[in-house]
Amino acid sequence: AQRVTQPEKLLSVFKGAPVELKCNYSYSGSPELFWYVQYSRQRLQLLLRHISRESIKGFTADLNKGETSFHLKKPFAQEEDSAMYYCALSGRTGFQKLVFGTGTRLLVSP
Amino acid sequence: NAGVMQNPRHLVRRRGQEARLRCSPMKGHSHVYWYRQLPEEGLKFMVYLQKENIIDESGMPKERFSAEFPKEGPSILRIQQVVRGDSAAYFCASSPITDGDEQYFGPGTRLTVT
Repeated sequence: AQRVTQPEKLLSVFKGAPVELKCNYSYSGSPELFWYVQYSRQRLQLLLRHISRESIKGFTADLNKGETSFHLKKPFAQEEDSAMYYCALSGRTGFQKLVFGTGTRLLVSP
Repeated sequence: NAGVMQNPRHLVRRRGQEARLRCSPMKGHSHVYWYRQLPEEGLKFMVYLQKENIIDESGMPKERFSAEFPKEGPSILRIQQVVRGDSAAYFCASSPITDGDEQYFGPGTRLTVT
């Protein structure tokens, strides 16, 4: 079964602290993994995808196939990072039918 | 490019009424996806359409729900005889012609059934 698990509903940190948002997945095959972000009053938007191996807004995520994890990390959190973060996967079946986790709300306090 | 448009943004229906949710994809996009988000849950895939074709409706409830994406005009998600459990946020996403491209999301329609 395809599943994405985000164990934390809320993660609260102070500005400048490191951040790690956890994501574990189960999928029989080689999925593609994504992180989506939703800032207050804005629409859901793609933050990064594992195949691009980019760092976006200081965030990185490494796919660990052994641990089936795709944790999102940032060394120094900023207040503007406060948002809802969703981990998602899609199978390599020719189109992106995304499976989402329940999301983690990141709150960065000054 | 205004992005994916959804209307209405908020829709209130009484039990037993019909709800019609509209989604206009981004210009040049011919793939549309619908997702539903129940309270305290993640987005769940409902249906994937291309122009005039339903490609995958594996996430659609078997009854009362239907979707279309006509040659002209927006994609429509139709819910007949709504029940309280249909109250949710419904998101539409679109992607370009090529399969596997990034999905761009609309702002969502929040359906409330009273």
